[in-house]
Amino acid sequence: DTGVSQDPRHKITKRGQNVTFRCDPISEHNRLYWYRQTLGQGPEFLTYFQNEAQLEKSRLLSDRFSAERPKGSFSTLEIQRTEQGDSAMYLCASSRDSPYEQYFGPGTRLTVT
Amino acid sequence: GNSVTQMEGPVTLSEEAFLTINCTYTATGYPSLFWYVQYPGEGLQLLLKATKADDKGSNKGFEATYRKETTSFHLEKGSVQVSDSAVYFCALSDRSSGDKLTFGTGTRLAVRP
Repeated sequence: DTGVSQDPRHKITKRGQNVTFRCDPISEHNRLYWYRQTLGQGPEFLTYFQNEAQLEKSRLLSDRFSAERPKGSFSTLEIQRTEQGDSAMYLCASSRDSPYEQYFGPGTRLTVT
Repeated sequence: GNSVTQMEGPVTLSEEAFLTINCTYTATGYPSLFWYVQYPGEGLQLLLKATKADDKGSNKGFEATYRKETTSFHLEKGSVQVSDSAVYFCALSDRSSGDKLTFGTGTRLAVRP
């Protein structure tokens, strides 16, 4: 069990650029979640997948955000036309089907300058 | 909607002191309750959980009891160590909403030798 991995760990980008993050879940986990955490706050839910199907998206996920999980394995989160307000830690978590607990990756810290 | 409220930090204690971090929740269904911990420079780790009323979760000397009548899940430890210094997050998940986690804002604990 290698745990949840995320890449990159840090990303600095200029406002208006596009960025893409990758998450590799624990291999037998069919649920994958994305959260966003800003300084001094708890993580906030963005979206989740059951296998390759995206089942729910938060209102936090504007049209500039898109997530995919093409083969039910790894997932990508893309942010287009980044804004300074997108600066945050983006966390990925995976789990087996309900009611199993979620295991978190180390996160990708995004800084938009 | 679901929400979690936890006591603000930072909490500063001397080694071997008793710890309580308060957590209350609001949920429309029958949630599972969790405490996650984030050590400096590390990702979120599940500390303990409880899935139904009156359940007690425990791990590493930490305990929390699911109290439906007071909608609370307070974290306790009888004797803290310097190595317990971290940020602690209370969270809930609800099967009716895809088991996504709703987090509190976190409580930073600092333990002095």
